Amino acid sequence: EAGVAQSPRYKIIEKRQSVAFWCNPISGHATLYWYQQILGQGPKLLIQFQNNGVVDDSQLPKDRFSAERLKGVDSTLKIQPAKLEDSAVYLCASSLDEQQQAFFGQGTRLTVV
Amino acid sequence: GQNIDQPTEMTATEGAIVQINCTYQTSGFNGLFWYQQHAGEAPTFLSYNVLDGLEEKGRFSSFLSRSKGYSYLLLKELQMKDSASYLCAVRGGRGSYIPTFGRGTSLIVHP
Repeated sequence: EAGVAQSPRYKIIEKRQSVAFWCNPISGHATLYWYQQILGQGPKLLIQFQNNGVVDDSQLPKDRFSAERLKGVDSTLKIQPAKLEDSAVYLCASSLDEQQQAFFGQGTRLTVV
Repeated sequence: GQNIDQPTEMTATEGAIVQINCTYQTSGFNGLFWYQQHAGEAPTFLSYNVLDGLEEKGRFSSFLSRSKGYSYLLLKELQMKDSASYLCAVRGGRGSYIPTFGRGTSLIVHP
């Protein structure tokens, strides 16, 4: 069974630029999460989708971050404009439903300079 | 809000046993996960506890006490490859299944 796929693996951008990350969850998984993991910390939830609907985006900085999962499968996370403090690993995870364990992708390591 | 506390770092010797503690304060409780994360890699699932008691899975065991807001992950017969960060994640909040992660415990296993 293929795991959660994310791209790109690494991205370096200048502050005030925009960036987008892509996630393809495990086939059949209805729940999709985006987490931000700053070096030395645990993952922090940004947004949770159930199919193509948003379940929780209370910790998403909506002035600069946006995410969508239009067809209930793939998802994109965008940052515009980026700030230095956005440097982190962005992890995508999926689960069959919100009660099941989450499987994580390898993440996208973003460096904002 | 939710508060999850774990030690920042632990060291242990190959072949030994180590216990990594996690305490939590949440407005509700719908289960506790332990994940392992090697440097530069994705977290991988280790265990899930929703009822009090010990869950054993090979060299790894996880314990939960809901009344004390406490869990531990026990690693036996430590191997060098067990050097990693161990993340405790709690599903808390009324009606919420979203896991909230602690900062993680960096375990260093030395020969």
